[in-house]
Amino acid sequence: AQSVTQPDIHITVSEGASLELRCNYSYGATPYLFWYVQSPGQGLQLLLKYFSGDTLVQGIKGFEAEFKRSQSSFNLRKPSVHWSDAAEYFCAVGPSNTGKLIFGQGTTLQVKP
Amino acid sequence: DTEVTQTPKHLVMGMTNKKSLKCEQHMGHRAMYWYKQKAKKPPELMFVYSYEKLSINESVPSRFSPECPNSSLLNLHLHALQPEDSALYLCASSQVRTGNTEAFFGQGTRLTVV
Repeated sequence: AQSVTQPDIHITVSEGASLELRCNYSYGATPYLFWYVQSPGQGLQLLLKYFSGDTLVQGIKGFEAEFKRSQSSFNLRKPSVHWSDAAEYFCAVGPSNTGKLIFGQGTTLQVKP
Repeated sequence: DTEVTQTPKHLVMGMTNKKSLKCEQHMGHRAMYWYKQKAKKPPELMFVYSYEKLSINESVPSRFSPECPNSSLLNLHLHALQPEDSALYLCASSQVRTGNTEAFFGQGTRLTVV
């Protein structure tokens, strides 16, 4: 079965600290992986995506993610978190040619001053 | 223009009302989607339109009726909803082709059924 697991429901980090949000997937075919961010009451904004090629992908707002096929993981990282990064983060997997996405349960990021 | 525009932003409706949610994009995308998102939960796919034809219906109750009148517009008609249908309804669009593509999401309509 296709699924996405985000093991951390809630993470709190201090402003300026580094961040890593975990994502593990189960997908029968070649996975196409995404990280979206959602501020309260807002829609989803794409941070980055992985389709093929270099397994370290750069996204917007200083985020990056690394695809590790052997671990079925696609973890999101940021070297220095800003207060404005506080939001809900969703990892998603799907076929490359549609927007039919399977989302993880999300990780809520809280940033301490 | 990389926007998906949804109207209204907020909607309160009674259980006997009929209302519609609207979604518009001008990116030339030929696939459009409706997702439903409950509080503290991930979005759940409801419908997919490909080239203005309904291609996926994820067993959604008939009180939700989608419509795609042209390649830029997507509607969701609501009738006889239940309080448990209160949620954020997200529209998304994408290209329809193999290879590198992604879904663009609107800001959503916050629906409250009373």
